[in-house]
This record gives sequence, structure tokens and C-alpha cells, in this order.
Amino acid sequence: RKEVEQDPGPFNVPEGATVAFNCTYSNSASQSFFWYRQDCRKEPKLLMSVYSSGNEDGRFTAQLNRASQYISLLIRDSKLSDSATYLCVVDLYNQGGKLIFGQGTELSVKP
Amino acid sequence: EPEVTQTPSHQVTQMGQEVILRCVPISNHLYFYWYRQILGQKVEFLVSFYNNEISEKSEIFDDQFSVERPDGSNFTLKIRSTKLEDSAMYFCASRDRIRTDTQYFGPGTRLTVL
Repeated sequence: RKEVEQDPGPFNVPEGATVAFNCTYSNSASQSFFWYRQDCRKEPKLLMSVYSSGNEDGRFTAQLNRASQYISLLIRDSKLSDSATYLCVVDLYNQGGKLIFGQGTELSVKP
Repeated sequence: EPEVTQTPSHQVTQMGQEVILRCVPISNHLYFYWYRQILGQKVEFLVSFYNNEISEKSEIFDDQFSVERPDGSNFTLKIRSTKLEDSAMYFCASRDRIRTDTQYFGPGTRLTVL
């Protein structure tokens, strides 16, 4: 089983749509969770951290379920500028703080 | 805003040659990392470095790879004898502390091995 597994893409949605990404992780020692965004051939950039209580940042909502080892990201009212690859990431504190990345889900928002 | 920088942005080399990729982490950060991303694949962890020594390394990080912090600012990744399959984007990252901070990535070096 892959350490971090994401929905296969691409997701093609119209502007204004709501889109949800799912992710599961296998390592129960995973201690922090993030969504990163990656634009074509650029570095990953932190979008938001993910907390068990759920957290929101504008149009973005992230959720973590530790019991089922599941992470989600919801994007509301999607914009053309949201087009990117979204990376589900887990942080292993007890392994040098290394980040384990999912393969990413590509989102394309069309006018 | 402080940022991680990397040089060069693109390196082309012949198979079997040595390359050194350079990174300048954010100045007050203590933990340093290298990742790579082969075209079309996911970002993969290579190595973490703290207190002047490797704290964790992946299976990819074999004897051909080494890291060094030669002075107070630079963090380098050396590949001794490059192979075709080393062609990838190499990202450096740094963080201030574990548990309460995430990692900040540099723009990457694209390595092409011919």
C-alpha cells in the first residue's frame, strides 16, 4: 500500500464549482498533515495545514480523520487561478521530520 | 519574506560526471532537506540534515549521494557519478523546528543527465 494515496486526476471543473480531493495515508505514526499546491515545474508551496477539528482558510476547507487515516480538501467557488496540482503531505516527526508526498491530484478550472 | 534559494536553476551534465547542487536555506532554520521529483512522478524524500549530520535518508540516497553544510549558509547535494535516472528536479527545503513549523521549499534545480 502506498504511504500517501490520492484521488487520481485530472479534475476538470468550471469556474465557480466546488471540488473535493481525498487522501489516505498508511503510516499511523504520521503526525502532521498538509495540503501543498504545485504549479507546473515549480516547487511545492504550502496551502494549509490540516487539523482533526477541521480548518478553513477562505474558500478552502481541510479535514483530518485520524481513525480512518483520511484527509480531505474542499475548494469552493473555484477560480481559474486554482488550476494546479494539489499534494497531500504527511510529516513524520520521528523520522527527521521528513515529508511524504502523495502523487498529487491535478485540477483544471475552465472559464 | 525570507526564502530558500537554489543554484543553478538548470544543470546539464554527462553521465558519470559529478554535480553539486547548491542551496541557501532560510537563515534561522535548523533542519535541512533534499527532495527530488522525476518528471511526471511524485516528490520523493532524499535526506534530512540537522546539527551537521544526516538524521534520516531514503533508499534512493545511496553512496553516490552526499550532503554538506560547508559554511553557515550553504547546504549542498553532491552526486558523484551521475546516471541517466538521476535526471529530475531537486528541491531543497528548510524548517525552523519540527512539530510546530512546516518546510519551505526552494525553486529547485532541474538536473538533466545525458
